[in-house]
Order: sequence, then C-alpha cells, then structure tokens
Amino acid sequence: AQKITQTQPGMFVQEKEAVTLDCTYDTSDPSYGLFWYKQPSSGEMIFLIYQGSYDQQNATEGRYSLNFQKARKSANLVISASQLGDSAMYFCAMREGYTNAGKSTFGDGTTLTVKP
Amino acid sequence: NAGVTQTPKFQVLKTGQSMTLQCAQDMNHEYMSWYRQDPGMGLRLIHYSVGAGITDQGEVPNGYNVSRSTTEDFPLRLLSAAPSQTSVYFCASSSTGSSRGWQETQYFGPGTRLLVL
Repeated sequence: AQKITQTQPGMFVQEKEAVTLDCTYDTSDPSYGLFWYKQPSSGEMIFLIYQGSYDQQNATEGRYSLNFQKARKSANLVISASQLGDSAMYFCAMREGYTNAGKSTFGDGTTLTVKP
Repeated sequence: NAGVTQTPKFQVLKTGQSMTLQCAQDMNHEYMSWYRQDPGMGLRLIHYSVGAGITDQGEVPNGYNVSRSTTEDFPLRLLSAAPSQTSVYFCASSSTGSSRGWQETQYFGPGTRLLVL
C-alpha cells in the first residue's frame, strides 16, 4: 500500500489566490514527521515545511501552512497568495520513527501551475 | 558551506558499463541517503547510511552498491548499468544534532541525470 498518496497530479491556481495540495499518509508508528518539498523545473529539491506527529499546532512558514488532521491521516499544504514563482512540482514526504533521519517516503507529487 | 554536492551532473552510459556517482557534504551530517526519481514520480530510496561504516538498503537497492568510509562522502556504484536505471539520482544528508533534532529536514544535492542506452 502507498504510504504517501497525493491524489492531484496537476493543479491550477490564479495568481494571488490560495491553493491547497492534498497529502494523505499511512503509518502505524506513533512518531513520524511530515515534510513538503518544492521542485521547480530546474530540478532541485527545496524544503518548505515540517509537521511532527506530536505537534499540537499546524505548522506555518511564511506563505506556507500545513493543515494537519491526524485522525484522518492527512497533511495538506496550503499556499496563500500564490505567485508565478510557485509554479513547480510539490512533494509530500514522511519519515517514520525518531531514528530514521535518512529515510523518507515520498508521494508522486502534484504539479502546480499559477496563472497570471 | 557548499552543502551537498554531486558529480557528475549528467552521464550517458552503455548497457553493462559501471560507474560511480559521487556525493559529498560539508555539514558534518551523520545521515546520508541516495534516492532515484523517475519521470513523473516521487523519490525512491536506494540506500542510506547512519554514519561512517554503516549502510543499509532502501526500497530499490538492486543493481547499486554503496559504502561510507568517511562522514563526508557517500558514493553510489552502478555495477552493470541497465536502461531501467535511467533516472535522476539525488543524494541527501541530514542530522539529528541540530537544534531541530530529529525534526531536521534532509538537504538535497542538485542531482545527477543518468541515461543508460
């Protein structure tokens, strides 16, 4: 079974609007971390935001916020006030356990296109 | 700090050839990993290391070897290249020793594009 599922292969958003990228995960480990990465057309992986399984509050980093619903096992990325430079592939990833810092499982990504 | 560096940036191989993808980091991170990314897909873990002298297999290890003799370097060896190994390869490093502890993200290199004919 897929551990990370991103159900939206592609998304479009108008510039300056907000957009939500979906991510659901599957794990039986009570300790895990969820990450979102951005991959522009140039190919590099850029870390955006992190949410820990024990975190009481949703993570925020500038225009990025993570809508964490633990019972539903979802960790959706919300980008507010979209910019043209936000057009990229976005990946949700999970690390299970405290010691697995070198092991992450990635979803297949969502391609976001911001329209002017 | 240069962060995570990878060489070469691009490589073309013939089926059956062997080669080594180089990865180095200058952040004194204990964890290092190799991933591959096939077109339109996410990253899949090939091998990883939790410290010098310690490596383990990931999700897709077949056809690849690794070793880690130093903290800084983590080369990936393709033993006998096959067209199915055409992919983009990313090296990553991370540490639980920072102020963020185990919440720390992995830092990725720029990737190596490999084409096997």
